[in-house]
Amino acid sequence: DTGVSQNPRHKITKRGQNVTFRCDPISEHNRLYWYRQTLGQGPEFLTYFQNEAQLEKSRLLSDRFSAERPKGSFSTLEIQRTEQGDSAMYLCASSLVSGQGSEQYFGPGTRLTVT
Amino acid sequence: GENVEQHPSTLSVQEGDSAVIKCTYSDSASNYFPWYKQELGKRPQLIIDIRSNVGEKKDQRIAVTLNKTAKHFSLHITETQPEDSAVYFCAASEKYSTLTFGKGTMLLVSP
Repeated sequence: DTGVSQNPRHKITKRGQNVTFRCDPISEHNRLYWYRQTLGQGPEFLTYFQNEAQLEKSRLLSDRFSAERPKGSFSTLEIQRTEQGDSAMYLCASSLVSGQGSEQYFGPGTRLTVT
Repeated sequence: GENVEQHPSTLSVQEGDSAVIKCTYSDSASNYFPWYKQELGKRPQLIIDIRSNVGEKKDQRIAVTLNKTAKHFSLHITETQPEDSAVYFCAASEKYSTLTFGKGTMLLVSP
């Protein structure tokens, strides 16, 4: 499968615990994005990387959230001290930036439930 | 920042009818407008996109139109089929960067 992959697909955690999600982009893609989607809403941008550099972070990304893409390939998103409001689907997308534009392709997401 | 409004929130059509979903955006600098289809429990899938240097694009039964002056764009699906039933999201971005999504349209195609 050469698409975007995410692990785990589901995560249930207790409030206050830390969680980490992984995203593996399409191999030649240089940009990687994280979005959050809640029921009945469109995805909301969290942060994105070009290669290993984190270029933009949303105001939605509180200081409990951190993302890395250490070698410009896979990325991790960590949420510390989880809260019930963090329950959502966390989507990763990747793209290849070129002069023609950059279509974003999404992974299957990690569904987080905070109890 | 960019704000994208999408209408209607739900749309029911009979198989074979056409469906139209409309979006407006606020940032005149936006220049890339993709549409995604999301089936229940699945990832958003890119179905068509349009860039600001064109006014219309077609791909089989799907077409998208863009009016930059009015800052709105629309998705048109002709000859709808039950498998077209899904949630459709429009989005906008500047310089092919982060996407701002609409809230989605649930399309139901009845046989």
